[in-house]
Amino acid sequence: GAVVSQHPSWVICKSGTSVKIECRSLDFQATTMFWYRQFPKQSLMLMATSNEGSKATYEQGVEKDKFLINHASLTLSTLTVTSAHPEDSSFYICSARGGQGDQPQHFGDGTRLSIL
Amino acid sequence: LAKTTQPISMDSYEGQEVNITCSHNNIATNDYITWYQQFPSQGPRFIIQGYKTKVTNEVASLFIPADRKSSTLSLPRVSLSDTAVYYCLVGGSNTGGFKTIFGAGTRLFVKA
Repeated sequence: GAVVSQHPSWVICKSGTSVKIECRSLDFQATTMFWYRQFPKQSLMLMATSNEGSKATYEQGVEKDKFLINHASLTLSTLTVTSAHPEDSSFYICSARGGQGDQPQHFGDGTRLSIL
Repeated sequence: LAKTTQPISMDSYEGQEVNITCSHNNIATNDYITWYQQFPSQGPRFIIQGYKTKVTNEVASLFIPADRKSSTLSLPRVSLSDTAVYYCLVGGSNTGGFKTIFGAGTRLFVKA
């Protein structure tokens, strides 16, 4: 159980393109979803937290107009990187958790984004 | 948020038991301790979670002392495929909602 699917697994596109990444919880309802960014040999950096039906809460230094997050249902959150540039190239990972209390996060397998 | 501190890297040999300790001095009452394993180009995979004392599942054990300021992940009889980065996360539901922050992680190298 507790499977999180992330799509696409990798994407290469030209500078200026907007890219949408989907994160789905397949067998549980995700009350909270998280988006992370990870550079090579580094840890995961939390970008934003979203609760179903609410606006996402962005971490300091993360541009909300650049990284649009939508969490319209209990099983789907999307991250759109708008007008992507080479410096946005990274590994983006989502996670989801359901319920309250001690429910852990479960992670997708990440999306490798390369902007040319 | 409770900051976590782990050793940057550890080496081991196949068949050995590996213990990775994480310090989290500022852990809050509501916080749980969760450990994840990450392979290159993959998302972190849940290993084990606990609140206090000892928790065991089919792949690992988690030891948490009474003061909860640290925790130790124990991997019995590691194999080459256990070479990965291991993250200790501390977090729980607080006023601002559920939140966890990743520390630097521990790179475990298992040798033949």
